[in-house]
Amino acid sequence: EAGVAQSPRYKIIEKRQSVAFWCNPISGHATLYWYQQILGQGPKLLIQFQNNGVVDDSQLPKDRFSAERLKGVDSTLKIQPAKLEDSAVYLCASTLTSGGLETQYFGPGTRLLVL
Amino acid sequence: LAKTTQPISMDSYEGQEVNITCSHNNIATNDYITWYQQFPSQGPRFIIQGYKTKVTNEVASLFIPADRKSSTLSLPRVSLSDTAVYYCLVGNSGYALNFGKGTSLLVTP
Repeated sequence: EAGVAQSPRYKIIEKRQSVAFWCNPISGHATLYWYQQILGQGPKLLIQFQNNGVVDDSQLPKDRFSAERLKGVDSTLKIQPAKLEDSAVYLCASTLTSGGLETQYFGPGTRLLVL
Repeated sequence: LAKTTQPISMDSYEGQEVNITCSHNNIATNDYITWYQQFPSQGPRFIIQGYKTKVTNEVASLFIPADRKSSTLSLPRVSLSDTAVYYCLVGNSGYALNFGKGTSLLVTP
């Protein structure tokens, strides 16, 4: 079974530029999560999708971050404009159904460096 | 969401048993306890989950006392490849898991 795919794996941009990350969850997984992991900290949830609807985006900085999952399968996370403090690893995870009891399967992450 | 507290770091020698304890005093009745492992440059990976008493799988054991205010992840006979960050999470269906800073385990020869 293929795992969660993410691209690109690495990205370097200058502040105020835009960047987009892509995630393809495990086939059939209804729930998709985007996390931000700053060096030395645990992952912080940015947004949770159930199919193509948003379940929780309370920690998403909506002035600069946006995410979509239009067809309920793959998803994109965008940052516009980027700030230095956005340097982090962006992790995508998916579960078969919704909720914390389900095992979350994580992708390898996209490492973003903002200069 | 219940707040969890676990040691920042632990050291162990190869072949020893490692026990990582997590405190979760505000755990709710319908919350489960889940542990994840994360290696550098990888996403977290599920290790074990439990509600009460003891759960064991091929990788680890999870001990949960009757009051459920803490839990202990037990890794038998660790090897160098067990060097990783271990996260204790508390939650239930319908809520995304809340990762803290985790415990950084270093296993040395």
